[in-house]
Amino acid sequence: TQLLEQSPQFLSIQEGENLTVYCNSSSVFSSLQWYRQEPGEGPVLLVTVVTGGEVKKLKRLTFQFGDARKDSSLHITAAQTGDTGLYLCAASFQGGSEKLVFGKGTKLTVNP
Amino acid sequence: SAVISQKPSRDICQRGTSLTIQCQVDSQVTMMFWYRQQPGQSLTLIATANQGSEATYESGFVIDKFPISRPNLTFSTLTVSNMSPEDSSIYLCSVGDQDAGTQYFGPGTRLLVL
Repeated sequence: TQLLEQSPQFLSIQEGENLTVYCNSSSVFSSLQWYRQEPGEGPVLLVTVVTGGEVKKLKRLTFQFGDARKDSSLHITAAQTGDTGLYLCAASFQGGSEKLVFGKGTKLTVNP
Repeated sequence: SAVISQKPSRDICQRGTSLTIQCQVDSQVTMMFWYRQQPGQSLTLIATANQGSEATYESGFVIDKFPISRPNLTFSTLTVSNMSPEDSSIYLCSVGDQDAGTQYFGPGTRLLVL
């Protein structure tokens, strides 16, 4: 059974601060997704990374996929109150499969 | 990405009753998934629903408790049977994108069992 470790579980910061969320496994990922979920809504896909060493940027969000494809990180620069939400990493461990394993999530609160 | 809707968006039910949740997609998809998200928790996969075959259930979930239908490539239902307060959760459907190796989610159904 593949497991996905996500940390930290909770994060409360002030507006303008930077933060990093980590996701890792002992197994190699075929692909890794980051989602954000706001209260009362379903998870929304932020990014998919598939290549070891890949870095993708989405405005103030930077996503990194480890060279060995066993870890990933999400870095937010100058956090805003609108970034508040539950961040979930999810991995596919089997190429060509849409089945995902989810991390436990990071509940981020950005205070004004 | 696919546009996914779920009905109902929320419900309050009495213990011992059953609720059927509908999931509609705006395009034909091969694989649909049903998840449970308990309060403050991450997502737990209940089952994978393929059109024309029996759903595949994950460990800890059984067909008698969570029967699933998949009559065509754009629609699926999940029934939560003989409900108890422990079934109070958000139930989410998602569709797979095999090319991208990812999933897109519906807005969820918030269920409270009294």
